[in-house]
Amino acid sequence: QLQLQESGPGLVKPSETLSLTCTVSGGSISGSSYYWGWIRQSPGKGLEWIGNVYYSGKAYYNPSLNSRVTISVDTAKNVFSLKLNSVTAADTAVYYCARPHPAYCSGSTCPFGFWGQGLLVTVSS
Amino acid sequence: YELTQPPSVSVSPGQTARITCSGDALAKEYVYWYQQKTGQAPVVLIYKDNERASGIPERFSGSSSGPKVTLTISGVQAEDEGEYHCQSADSSTMYPVFGGGTKLTVL
Repeated sequence: QLQLQESGPGLVKPSETLSLTCTVSGGSISGSSYYWGWIRQSPGKGLEWIGNVYYSGKAYYNPSLNSRVTISVDTAKNVFSLKLNSVTAADTAVYYCARPHPAYCSGSTCPFGFWGQGLLVTVSS
Repeated sequence: YELTQPPSVSVSPGQTARITCSGDALAKEYVYWYQQKTGQAPVVLIYKDNERASGIPERFSGSSSGPKVTLTISGVQAEDEGEYHCQSADSSTMYPVFGGGTKLTVL
């Protein structure tokens, strides 16, 4: 069974860079034709898609965050990472890494069927 | 592009809960529904508008009508309390888009 686990600092200072890593087990990033994604959820709010990355390194980002976000992949370590720069209090959220479930996909659209447990990141001085 | 959900829905046990999700592209793109319990990651309930995911009880169903889709929970149980999220795609980019989430309270 595919498992994902987020890791990184739980506290980031304003204007600094938020850096998180998602470790994948039970499957290989390079062996999957599906994308690997980051989603966040601000306190009391809905889910917000941040971006996706393929094993090739090709990444796609939410236009509202595009100028501040970078998602990369390290297939040798079987991890993918998120960097969000110039953070503010509005970036305080639970950050999830996730991947689509192949059985539920239709064409190019998929729900995220495999999720990490989530990591709360607070932006505060 | 946005998907609109009601912030909250309240029902008594045994009643039927209906949670809507609306957006211009929903007439063209599939919708997926998630259930999220407090402190947990979301779980897929419904895919491709009305298909139940593996292990999901039959009381959960999905339907669509043009730009609005509905998640129906028949015979609501206390364990159904939580947050429900819809997801679709921006038809111009195919990027994932989520609704704002609906908190279901079982009275």
